[in-house]
Amino acid sequence: DTAVSQTPKYLVTQMGNDKSIKCEQNLGHDTMYWYKQDSKKFLKIMFSYNNKELIINETVPNRFSPKSPDKAHLNLHINSLELGDSAVYFCASSPRTGPAGELFFGEGSRLTVL
Amino acid sequence: EDKVVQSPLSLVVHEGDTVTLNCSYEVTNFRSLLWYKQEKKAPTFLFMLTSSGIEKKSGRLSSILDKKELFSILNITATQTGDSAIYLCAVDKQGAQKLVFGQGTRLTINP
Repeated sequence: DTAVSQTPKYLVTQMGNDKSIKCEQNLGHDTMYWYKQDSKKFLKIMFSYNNKELIINETVPNRFSPKSPDKAHLNLHINSLELGDSAVYFCASSPRTGPAGELFFGEGSRLTVL
Repeated sequence: EDKVVQSPLSLVVHEGDTVTLNCSYEVTNFRSLLWYKQEKKAPTFLFMLTSSGIEKKSGRLSSILDKKELFSILNITATQTGDSAIYLCAVDKQGAQKLVFGQGTRLTINP
């Protein structure tokens, strides 16, 4: 059973389109994250949710809208896609409510904007 | 601004060699430092270090933290081709509930 699963794994789309990435964790963790990894492999936090509540929104354009219907799911919707949005998006979860500590990552969703 | 800097960015060695990867940091309210290994897909957790001078070990991998000089090293002895990966260092801050990552070291082990 995959602990943190994301769909889709690959996404190729045109500029200006809207797309969503879904994430689910079966670890019973309270905290979930979205990280973006650029072409230089730099992982940067985008959002953090704790038990469905937004905790961190790290200067991400408001074209990106996360949604957490329950504590096991965290989805990411992106409007009006731009070339610079091309990256690998990782979902992660953490067993801790306070410190980030050890993160459990999904396998990533590679987004390519043409 | 918080900074986590890893060196070298890229390293190519032969199987059996020993490697040392470096991570230095400048962050406010440091809590812990973590090492991850990223092969093709998801980063996987290796170590979490909170105290200076105490070595953490797992098989051929070991890591130590120096909170005075603000750095950590990750050692891999008797390297194998399966050790080829990107190694990521990250810092956890008090009250921040996020990890700040370095840019990673790409390690290639040639047979």
